[in-house]
Amino acid sequence: EPEVTQTPSHQVTQMGQEVILRCVPISNHLYFYWYRQILGQKVEFLVSFYNNEISEKSEIFDDQFSVERPDGSNFTLKIRSTKLEDSAMYFCASRGSTQYQETQYFGPGTRLLVL
Amino acid sequence: GNSVTQMEGPVTLSEEAFLTINCTYTATGYPSLFWYVQYPGEGLQLLLKATKADDKGSNKGFEATYRKETTSFHLEKGSVQVSDSAVYFCALSDQEAGTALIFGKGTTLSVSS
Repeated sequence: EPEVTQTPSHQVTQMGQEVILRCVPISNHLYFYWYRQILGQKVEFLVSFYNNEISEKSEIFDDQFSVERPDGSNFTLKIRSTKLEDSAMYFCASRGSTQYQETQYFGPGTRLLVL
Repeated sequence: GNSVTQMEGPVTLSEEAFLTINCTYTATGYPSLFWYVQYPGEGLQLLLKATKADDKGSNKGFEATYRKETTSFHLEKGSVQVSDSAVYFCALSDQEAGTALIFGKGTTLSVSS
């Protein structure tokens, strides 16, 4: 069964450093998402991406964040200058090839720790 | 704005007990409702969904009915197993407000034998 994959599974970085989190969505999906989950808190939406551009973003997704689909398979989240409060589990998700296929399929997550 | 409220956990049950996890929502449109499950060390997996009022989603013995009159989508299972121990998230997607999922805080279920 197709699945969303994410790398790395864990990342530790120093405050102020740039990090890039990578995701490979399900191959025929066209809608891509990033969410995050701070330890003990709810899963929060960051950004959605369709047709090579951002379609929605939350207040969390400020200028420090960017997303890219550099090739036909990867979808990346970049944090330019990490802060302590960026420590969280980051989930990538993708959904189907029509606007009516609502179910989002999630990857296993990348646990980011900013020191 | 749209929101999801779940009962606080943790919920601790013995094997074969009946499970209910309450979920209520607020939405301006006509949302689709979802339950996702997160097993220890894993990502979020879709458990079940319902896309319109009175629909019942079901999977692996779990059920939830979309109740528009009470704005609820409670998760139930008649007889839980140790392997059901996980965190359960209620979520909604309101196409009129965009496609992002809005999650509840999650409820931790622990089942002992």
